[in-house]
Amino acid sequence: AQSVTQLDSQVPVFEEAPVELRCNYSSSVSVYLFWYVQYPNQGLQLLLKYLSGSTLVKGINGFEAEFNKSQTSFHLRKPSVHISDTAEYFCAVSLPGGTSYGKLTFGQGTILTVHP
Amino acid sequence: EPEVTQTPSHQVTQMGQEVILRCVPISNHLYFYWYRQILGQKVEFLVSFYNNEISEKSEIFDDQFSVERPDGSNFTLKIRSTKLEDSAMYFCASSDPSGNEKLFFGSGTQLSVL
Repeated sequence: AQSVTQLDSQVPVFEEAPVELRCNYSSSVSVYLFWYVQYPNQGLQLLLKYLSGSTLVKGINGFEAEFNKSQTSFHLRKPSVHISDTAEYFCAVSLPGGTSYGKLTFGQGTILTVHP
Repeated sequence: EPEVTQTPSHQVTQMGQEVILRCVPISNHLYFYWYRQILGQKVEFLVSFYNNEISEKSEIFDDQFSVERPDGSNFTLKIRSTKLEDSAMYFCASSDPSGNEKLFFGSGTQLSVL
């Protein structure tokens, strides 16, 4: 079975500062890795994903994440945050192959709060 | 951008009652999912549905739960006899068959069982 740990439940940061949201996973087999974001009163939406290939993936809204197989991590970064980035961020994994990608195992979420 | 729509946004029911949560997935999507999040806990996979049958289900998805696509647009989750511990936010999601491994989520239905 797979599991995901997001190391920070809340991350406060000032506007225009860089931010890193940490995610570690556990799996005995290769997995797909995802970051989803949930803005208030909205559904989760995909920020970025790692399926294979280049370990640095870029997503929407200026976010990027790096897959580190040896450390089983998939940390999310943004060099300069905006007030509008305030949201809850979820790291997730799934198994590759067929339609298994839709069976996501989520971390507990990290609430990012950007202060002016 | 097309959206997954869930109704109602909040539903209150008495323990032991049946409840149906409704979702309208994106029109050209073929894969459908239900997830739930109990307050303070992780978002958990319940079930996936494709070609009018369940593809996968979790241990949570016992005989009290069922899913249905009654027509070409709706996707429903039924809980036959609700328990207090069924209180949670329920998210519907859908994805298309293009292989881009992206789920589109609705904004959820908050179910409160009293």
